[in-house]
Amino acid sequence: AQKITQTQPGMFVQEKEAVTLDCTYDTSDQSYGLFWYKQPSSGEMIFLIYQGSYDEQNATEGRYSLNFQKARKSANLVISASQLGDSAMYFCAMSSSGAGSYQLTFGKGTKLSVIP
Amino acid sequence: GAGVSQSPSNKVTEKGKDVELRCDPISGHTALYWYRQSLGQGLEFLIYFQGNSAPDKSGLPSDRFSAERTGGSVSTLTIQRTQQEDSAVYLCATSVIAGGNQDLFTDTQYFGPGTRLTVL
Repeated sequence: AQKITQTQPGMFVQEKEAVTLDCTYDTSDQSYGLFWYKQPSSGEMIFLIYQGSYDEQNATEGRYSLNFQKARKSANLVISASQLGDSAMYFCAMSSSGAGSYQLTFGKGTKLSVIP
Repeated sequence: GAGVSQSPSNKVTEKGKDVELRCDPISGHTALYWYRQSLGQGLEFLIYFQGNSAPDKSGLPSDRFSAERTGGSVSTLTIQRTQQEDSAVYLCATSVIAGGNQDLFTDTQYFGPGTRLTVL
């Protein structure tokens, strides 16, 4: 079984600063994918970034980067130059080859608040 | 292009009534998932459809829950005899599921806006 742990229920960051949201995972599968989603107060889950277990380079998408440390089983999301619109819930999720239908297993989420 | 759409956006019902929730996937996406998001349980997988294969129903919490997908496109999640604990946001997600040797766990799931269900 897969498990995702997000230990920060809430985080604050000053506008224009960088912030790191923590995510650790547990799986016995060798092949898996890690995803980060953003959920604003409107409720829609917005895909941000993906990292594959075989990828040697950390994934980057604009202001988002994923700090992937396979040996430590961590996949932290780094948001650079925070903006007020970044205030939202952030979910780390995993899909694996052992999960049958490749459904996502989610963490409990981190609520990020950007302070002007 | 158009994203995943869900209807209704909000549904209030009385305990014991049946409800139907609808999901329209992104065109060309062959895989469709239903998830439930509630305060106590977080995000939980419910059911998965892929093409003409038998659905994976392993996440359905009880036999009051069922889902179908007609013609490999639109999906309907039905909850019979609703209970107060069914109150949650029901999210639909779809992915393209590329063919060949691509590792399926790499497919990104795109979510709809959800249906907020309130059972009184």
